[in-house]
This record gives sequence, structure tokens and C-alpha cells, in this order.
Amino acid sequence: DAKTTQPTSMDCAEGRAANLPCNHSTISGNEYVYWYRQIHSQGPQYIIHGLKNNETNEMASLIITEDRKSSTLILPHATLRDTAVYYCIVRVRGNFGNEKLTFGTGTRLTIIP
Amino acid sequence: ETGVTQTPRHLVMGMTNKKSLKCEQHLGHNAMYWYKQSAKKPLELMFVYSLEERVENNSVPSRFSPECPNSSHLFLHLHTLQPEDSALYLCASSQEVAGGPLETQYFGPGTRLLVL
Repeated sequence: DAKTTQPTSMDCAEGRAANLPCNHSTISGNEYVYWYRQIHSQGPQYIIHGLKNNETNEMASLIITEDRKSSTLILPHATLRDTAVYYCIVRVRGNFGNEKLTFGTGTRLTIIP
Repeated sequence: ETGVTQTPRHLVMGMTNKKSLKCEQHLGHNAMYWYKQSAKKPLELMFVYSLEERVENNSVPSRFSPECPNSSHLFLHLHTLQPEDSALYLCASSQEVAGGPLETQYFGPGTRLLVL
């Protein structure tokens, strides 16, 4: 599996855009980049995923560099409810049952009022 | 609400007890998962079920015994656990197609287990 590297923690002011970086320099051509977040004492919540192109949904935007070695998750207008641990995950492509959704230690994002 | 429910939400048990964790998904998915999340450690995949058959067991001790009676329900039977098994146990589900790209997993809220 490609390893991911994320900052341990970040702060962001409420109402501003939160930009969370992730390095995945050993990513393979058919591996997807996934982002999940986990609010304290809850299960992980899917946010967004992408392969090559930038993606946007109602929660966030995902910017993937052209060489695919890094990506940035953008929360456009952070609120206090966005305080959570954010996980960047690279998923191995293979036959179902022969894969792992491997979570690292993530980035603890704190939104400051 | 993600469509995946887990009961109980909290459980305290002694090392000689037998208990079961229950997971139910209301999403029509064909795959279900058990994960363990210990304090200050990454999420660990324990078991994977596809169409009620176990397809992965990540070297989990036999004191953890999964059961998948149908595609909507998943159980984790616990017996003679150790204090180090105290953790948040998470269930997830997804809709997978053989040979296709891996699909998004949706997680339940977890069961916080304390073994005394």
C-alpha cells in the first residue's frame, strides 16, 4: 500500500477555508485517494475521493497534483462542527477481499471560534 | 445517520464474560467489516465479509468470533477478552463489485468496549 503523510495537527479560524495536505509519493497509477474524518467518539465519515482529477461535493473539494504525489482537502467555510481527525487514505486496487482500507494517524483539525 | 447502526454503544465486561456486538446496515450493501480502534493507534481492519462469507481475517485472536447470518447483519462474539482489547469497535459496509474499483465504506457509530 502507498503510505500517506499528514501533519499531526492544524488549526483554522471559523469561517475560513481549511486546507489539509497529504503526501502520497509512492502512489500507484490505479490507486484512489480517499478522505475520511472522525469526530470524537464517532465512526469515520466518508468525505470525498478521487483518482486524477479534482473533485468537489457538498462537503469539500479535493485537489490532486498532476504527478499525484500529494493532495489537499479543502473545507471551504469551516465551522466548529468540522473539528475532527481527518484521514487521507490511498486504497490498493485489487479483487475484493484482497485489500485493506488502511487508516494512518490523520490530522487533528481544530476550528477556532 | 449513515445507515449503519451498532449496539450496544457502550459495553463493560469482565475477562470471563461472553458478549456480542451487533451491526446492522440499511443500505442494501453486500460487504461488511469489523474494525478496531485503540487509543492513539490507527484503525485496524479485523474481518471482512462479502455475501455472508468471510473473505479476510487479519490474524485476529480466536477470542473474537465474527458471524454474518445475512447481508444486513454482522455480529462480533467476544469471550475471555483481555484488558488490552478495550477499544472502539467499528462496523462498516459497502457495495462491492468483483474486480471493480473498491467502493466507499460507510461506518457505524461504534461500540466502546471496556474489559476489566
